[in-house]
Amino acid sequence: DTGVSQDPRHKITKRGQNVTFRCDPISEHNRLYWYRQTLGQGPEFLTYFQNEAQLEKSRLLSDRFSAERPKGSFSTLEIQRTEQGDSAMYLCASSLRRYNEQFFGPGTRLTVL
Amino acid sequence: TQLLEQSPQFLSIQEGENLTVYCNSSSVFSSLQWYRQEPGEGPVLLVTVVTGGEVKKLKRLTFQFGDARKDSSLHITAAQPGDTGLYLCAGSSDTGNQFYFGTGTSLTVIP
Repeated sequence: DTGVSQDPRHKITKRGQNVTFRCDPISEHNRLYWYRQTLGQGPEFLTYFQNEAQLEKSRLLSDRFSAERPKGSFSTLEIQRTEQGDSAMYLCASSLRRYNEQFFGPGTRLTVL
Repeated sequence: TQLLEQSPQFLSIQEGENLTVYCNSSSVFSSLQWYRQEPGEGPVLLVTVVTGGEVKKLKRLTFQFGDARKDSSLHITAAQPGDTGLYLCAGSSDTGNQFYFGTGTSLTVIP
């Protein structure tokens, strides 16, 4: 299967801890997006990479969030000093085509206790 | 900020019925996609529309893009229990740097 993969699928952590998620996009896709989704809502855009460059970052993203895509392939999303409000599904998507159809990974479900 | 509003938010219908989901915005989008998402999984792309007035069909699903490229609709004919899920519309900014999802429509088809 050459789809988008994310790791871990589930993460439970205590408030104040740091967590890091990984996303491996479809190999030939140069665009990579991170989203956050809470139950029953549509995904909220967090940040966008084209190759290794982070071109867009949502105002929703506080300073505790950072994302990298060092070699233009996989990406990591780190949340420092987690808060209960960070509990959500974190989705990664990759894209190549002109009209930006995005292919999503299965997501990482974060629970902050 | 949600730029795309979907209606209805929840829909529960009997198997065999028809339904339409609407996606509206005050903004113009260069393209618009529809996705379907099941619990605990990522959204799966159904279709992309790019031309104002465009109509695309995918088996029992019909998608239409508004003439002004600000709105779209999804019509399902003879709904089946397998159609149950969260339906999301999404639009891309002209630069492609941001991608906006709609508020979602949760569909339940009762056997």
